[in-house]
Amino acid sequence: GAGVSQTPSNKVTEKGKYVELRCDPISGHTALYWYRQSLGQGPEFLIYFQGTGAADDSGLPNDRFFAVRPEGSVSTLKIQRTERGDSAVYLCASSLGRRSVQFFGPGTRLTVL
Amino acid sequence: DAKTTQPNSMESNEEEPVHLPCNHSTISGTDYIHWYRQLPSQGPEYVIHGLTSNVNNRMASLAIAEDRKSSTLILHRATLRDAAVYYCILTVYGGATNKLIFGTGTLLAVQP
Repeated sequence: GAGVSQTPSNKVTEKGKYVELRCDPISGHTALYWYRQSLGQGPEFLIYFQGTGAADDSGLPNDRFFAVRPEGSVSTLKIQRTERGDSAVYLCASSLGRRSVQFFGPGTRLTVL
Repeated sequence: DAKTTQPNSMESNEEEPVHLPCNHSTISGTDYIHWYRQLPSQGPEYVIHGLTSNVNNRMASLAIAEDRKSSTLILHRATLRDAAVYYCILTVYGGATNKLIFGTGTLLAVQP
């Protein structure tokens, strides 16, 4: 079956611009996670959704980062006033419930020039 | 959150078994031990997890020490496709979230 998909696969933007990254989870998965991975590091947790609500946003680095999941399926990670330090691979994962194995998408590589 | 310690890198030959160690001396009674792996340019992939007993699945085996302060991921016959970064992660099921806290993992190289 279809796995987690993320679009775009690559995004190049300029410092100060606004970007949106999209995640389509596996159908029926109620839990959705965003992670960020910098070069040479393991993924870093950003935010967790259970259904439509953000149950844990403790990993968002600052108020420039925001994520939504309005219908409990697709999620969008939004970054305002991008900075060069935001350059990373942004990974999305979903799971059947919060007690279940997480399945990851291929990631979106964000480059801020 | 309890931490894990893994070697930075390991090498193996194709068709041979691989034992990837992980130390987690501060593990609590409710922490599950998870292993994920990440192939180049891909998202992490679930491998196996366990709580106290050894576990086997089609991909690997997980051996957990009796005191749970360490564990070993066993790949029974390494293939070139097993070359990846392997992450040992502790997570609490039943907590507020199921977030995974990754370290830097072990980079496994498999030689033909």
